[in-house]
Amino acid sequence: ILNVEQSPQSLHVQEGDSTNFTCSFPSSNFYALHWYRWETAKSPEALFVMTLNGDEKKKGRISATLNTKEGYSYLYIKGSQPEDSATYLCAPSFDYKLSFGAGTTVTVRA
Amino acid sequence: DGGITQSPKYLFRKEGQNVTLSCEQNLNHDAMYWYRQDPGQGLRLIYYSQIVNDFQKGDIAEGYSVSREKKESFPLTVTSAQKNPTAFYLCASGEQGYASGELFFGEGSRLTVL
Repeated sequence: ILNVEQSPQSLHVQEGDSTNFTCSFPSSNFYALHWYRWETAKSPEALFVMTLNGDEKKKGRISATLNTKEGYSYLYIKGSQPEDSATYLCAPSFDYKLSFGAGTTVTVRA
Repeated sequence: DGGITQSPKYLFRKEGQNVTLSCEQNLNHDAMYWYRQDPGQGLRLIYYSQIVNDFQKGDIAEGYSVSREKKESFPLTVTSAQKNPTAFYLCASGEQGYASGELFFGEGSRLTVL
């Protein structure tokens, strides 16, 4: 089982503030990096799938960057809203298998 | 609606009993996966199937079995050999290969062993 680290484990952010968090993974045999958002009592939903070093993707107020050479990805939330409260999972793909991190749980306070 | 359906949502089992969790998808995906979640840990891969009538062990397959007789269905049996079966189980499907295809998840099944 590959070591995928997400930090911090949890964070609280005031509504309107921006935040970011990290996913670290081994850089060898890398295929792709997935980000998922998992809201309470719902299914995880894909945010981004990134494959190339230097990739940047954006969906609304959420964006992500990828550095495959050093093995990390950042996820940014701009102007956090209460509906952004969720656990964000990263999952690098190695040898056609996804290895999930434990997630960063974001709580947005109104 | 297209999606993945897992059942049951909650399941209680006595020690020593086998139990089967259902996973059905109507997304026409070739690949299906079973993950297990324990508190404070990432999702761990139990079994996966890239095509009908074929499946492979994931990272924690001991004490579990699967079948893939139909493209739409990938049931997971938690056997009495699984030492710590109480957990949350997620099923997912996707296009074959992980490089570009996102996974679609069910809502999960929570198994409690009494």
